[in-house]
Amino acid sequence: DQQVKQNSPSLSVQEGRISILNCDYTNSMFDYFLWYKKYPAEGPTFLISISSIKDKNEDGRFTVFLNKSAKHLSLHIVPSQPGDSAVYFCAASASDMRFGAGTRLTVKP
Amino acid sequence: NAGVMQNPRHLVRRRGQEARLRCSPMKGHSHVYWYRQLPEEGLKFMVYLQKENIIDESGMPKERFSAEFPKEGPSILRIQQVVRGDSAAYFCASSPRTVSSGNTIYFGEGSWLTVV
Repeated sequence: DQQVKQNSPSLSVQEGRISILNCDYTNSMFDYFLWYKKYPAEGPTFLISISSIKDKNEDGRFTVFLNKSAKHLSLHIVPSQPGDSAVYFCAASASDMRFGAGTRLTVKP
Repeated sequence: NAGVMQNPRHLVRRRGQEARLRCSPMKGHSHVYWYRQLPEEGLKFMVYLQKENIIDESGMPKERFSAEFPKEGPSILRIQQVVRGDSAAYFCASSPRTVSSGNTIYFGEGSWLTVV
């Protein structure tokens, strides 16, 4: 069952512009949402999270927005840098943590 | 390095053999999670364990796969009679408390299984 969905397998943006990665979920029991970043041949690393009681959390160039009524969250990266090129996984947790399929972000110089 | 340690990093097995993947969680972490990433796919939840207990194994194939997290020693993911479709990256993660508390989980570098 796909409780967490990332419908865009890839995204390409120009350096300095905004990257917006989207994620939808189906399980209303999820109470915490996270984004992980993954480089090839490495494990995912935690990037940013948001509690279900908030609608926005910001950390430097990264901002996560949560729309509970739409069961949708997004990650904004601004300005995007070539080093941001990686696969980004959306995750949601209740009793355990479920991940989306990932979006491969390419930031072009 | 106090991170999540997985070994082996790479494992090659012939069809029908057994594969054992080990995971030592971060110090102080008693919750372990196993995920599988098939080529060109996302992270699929397999099993969630706490010391000596399987909490949720809903993502684990019913046959040939098993997991344990003994009181002493690493967590083990065991795949019996491997088939080509088992070729994947297997990631272990750990957390100090349940994720329902809003805790993040920390991943190891992964174990790449190739079945020939």
